[in-house]
Amino acid sequence: GQSLEQPSEVTAVEGAIVQINCTYQTSGFYGLSWYQQHDGGAPTFLSYNALDGLEETGRFSSFLSRSDSYGYLLLQELQMKDSASYFCAVRDHSGNNRKLIWGLGTSLAVNP
Amino acid sequence: GAGVSQSPSNKVTEKGKDVELRCDPISGHTALYWYRQSLGQGLEFLIYFQGNSAPDKSGLPSDRFSAERTGGSVSTLTIQRTQQEDSAVYLCASGGGSGYEQYFGPGTRLTVT
Repeated sequence: GQSLEQPSEVTAVEGAIVQINCTYQTSGFYGLSWYQQHDGGAPTFLSYNALDGLEETGRFSSFLSRSDSYGYLLLQELQMKDSASYFCAVRDHSGNNRKLIWGLGTSLAVNP
Repeated sequence: GAGVSQSPSNKVTEKGKDVELRCDPISGHTALYWYRQSLGQGLEFLIYFQGNSAPDKSGLPSDRFSAERTGGSVSTLTIQRTQQEDSAVYLCASGGGSGYEQYFGPGTRLTVT
């Protein structure tokens, strides 16, 4: 079967660094995406890794290791507004199908 | 430019009634997705439209659920004979076809009483 695993909850303090891991087991792999969702809001796209290595966008970075079927989202200089759920998702490319397989999400709580 | 819009934002219906949920995707986006999300849970894929290809209906939970996309743009998700377990937030997303970057609408919160 196809599955993604990520921790259900992570807690950190303002100003700290937190890493949210994601491991995947999928029949096809064409990239790892990360999305952020605040309570009551819609998911918003954060980053995408198709190749191994680290992609940096401001305070957020995303890493991928295809050989390990593993990636992570790194959030630096945490702010209270970063409290949200974070979802990893793998692009399934079976034929012309380009849907995402989603993890169950990691709830991040940033405390003062 | 305008993002993805959904209507209604909230819908309360009685068990057994039919409901229609509407999604207006971003203009020019060829891909359109419907998801369902229960409180505190992840995203449950329902259906995916890509251009003129046959939709991927593999996530629809029962034959009470159907969706159509007219003219490659607006989509309607229909739930017939609603049940209490259908209560959730229904999210629509559109994308340029690559799949990895999806833009979500604000969702429709459906409550079946």
